[in-house]
Amino acid sequence: SQELEQSPQSLIVQEGKNLTINCTSSKTLYGLYWYKQKYGEGLIFLMMLQKGGEEKSHEKITAKLDEKKQQSSLHITASQPSHAGIYLCGADMASGTYKYIFGTGTRLKVLA
Amino acid sequence: KAGVTQTPRYLIKTRGQQVTLSCSPISGHRSVSWYQQTPGQGLQFLFEYFSETQRNKGNFPGRFSGRQFSNSRSEMNVSTLELGDSALYLCASSARQGAGEQYFGPGTRLTVT
Repeated sequence: SQELEQSPQSLIVQEGKNLTINCTSSKTLYGLYWYKQKYGEGLIFLMMLQKGGEEKSHEKITAKLDEKKQQSSLHITASQPSHAGIYLCGADMASGTYKYIFGTGTRLKVLA
Repeated sequence: KAGVTQTPRYLIKTRGQQVTLSCSPISGHRSVSWYQQTPGQGLQFLFEYFSETQRNKGNFPGRFSGRQFSNSRSEMNVSTLELGDSALYLCASSARQGAGEQYFGPGTRLTVT
């Protein structure tokens, strides 16, 4: 089973609409990262969250890490076609032994 | 600052051959991690190198190996290629070992026929 579950797997929204992507772990996260990927290309770092309850924003994208550090959400306000792509969450899963894993990804399409 | 570069961008190989991929990290970054991305398995961690030493390793067979040079550039080698090795191979550089923000290269698309 996937250690980091993302939902939804895909999303199609009309330009201007808000949307939320979730990333859930069964274990405590020591660091949670959000990335965006254009199809077939490398990942672009968006944000890093480390503290429970932490929230960060960049332009129209806001990410939160819940208090228990087992779930994170990525919220896009007033979506634009430029937001389209695949959003992946990545996490440090264990202390002591480095284990950096990624979620399954959420494919976002924004209709103009 | 120049980003992470990977060469070659595309590669076609035959089963049984071996391949070497190259990654140049962002200047000043000493950590380089390698990932394999496929539609079925998603993005999976291969290994991380820091200061020329492999620090962490994912769950891949010994056919996958790597190394890092004193200038932090890294190479990944896959021997005895199998059809299932067809994937996008991504490298990422980071300023510190173990995780943190990673900056990814554009990837090398490997096709094994």
